[in-house]
Amino acid sequence: DAGVTQSPTHLIKTRGQQVTLRCSPKSGHDTVSWYQQALGQGPQFIFQYYEEEERQRGNFPDRFSGHQFPNYSSELNVNALLLGDSALYLCASGWRGPGGTKNIQYFGAGTRLSVL
Amino acid sequence: AQTVTQSQPEMSVQEAETVTLSCTYDTSENNYYLFWYKQPPSRQMILVIRQEAYKQQNATENRFSVNFQKAAKSFSLKISDSQLGDTAMYFCAFGGAQKLVFGQGTRLTINP
Repeated sequence: DAGVTQSPTHLIKTRGQQVTLRCSPKSGHDTVSWYQQALGQGPQFIFQYYEEEERQRGNFPDRFSGHQFPNYSSELNVNALLLGDSALYLCASGWRGPGGTKNIQYFGAGTRLSVL
Repeated sequence: AQTVTQSQPEMSVQEAETVTLSCTYDTSENNYYLFWYKQPPSRQMILVIRQEAYKQQNATENRFSVNFQKAAKSFSLKISDSQLGDTAMYFCAFGGAQKLVFGQGTRLTINP
């Protein structure tokens, strides 16, 4: 049973570019959440996708957008990259449907984004 | 808004000792969940233990246990018989299925 997988593991971009990060949830999960973790900080919630719609959003600008596909996988897109967007981006999956344990999120190993 | 505070940026103990990590939180909600996650250098955030706020009994998972004081909004993690593999960043988190709010973390080092 594969856990949460993220790709790529590392990414280097320059200011102003756009980036797409990918996440495949744990088998059986239907929600995907994205978090930004700056160096030495705790993760900050960006948004959550469920049933292919953004359900909840944290305090992040519209440059951060996402998508969830019918197979529950998800993408995080960041436009007009700033130096301050350099961080570890974590994806977490969970289950909101009937049954199961609904209040646990399982994390991937993250994508390290460096903006130069 | 919910906030989570971890007042110990770093801790260090000898192998086999017991260590307690502190966490306080602030919320106006009555039903919620609290979590401790471990993040080793591999970066993977691993769930250590979970506590449901409506349960008075403290959660335990093998060598890991919590002291949940709802009125005081305190949620500490105790690691018994610490092992070298316990070396990691530990994050306290509030929330559940939708959004997790994390503390700043405690860097725990277990020395041989």
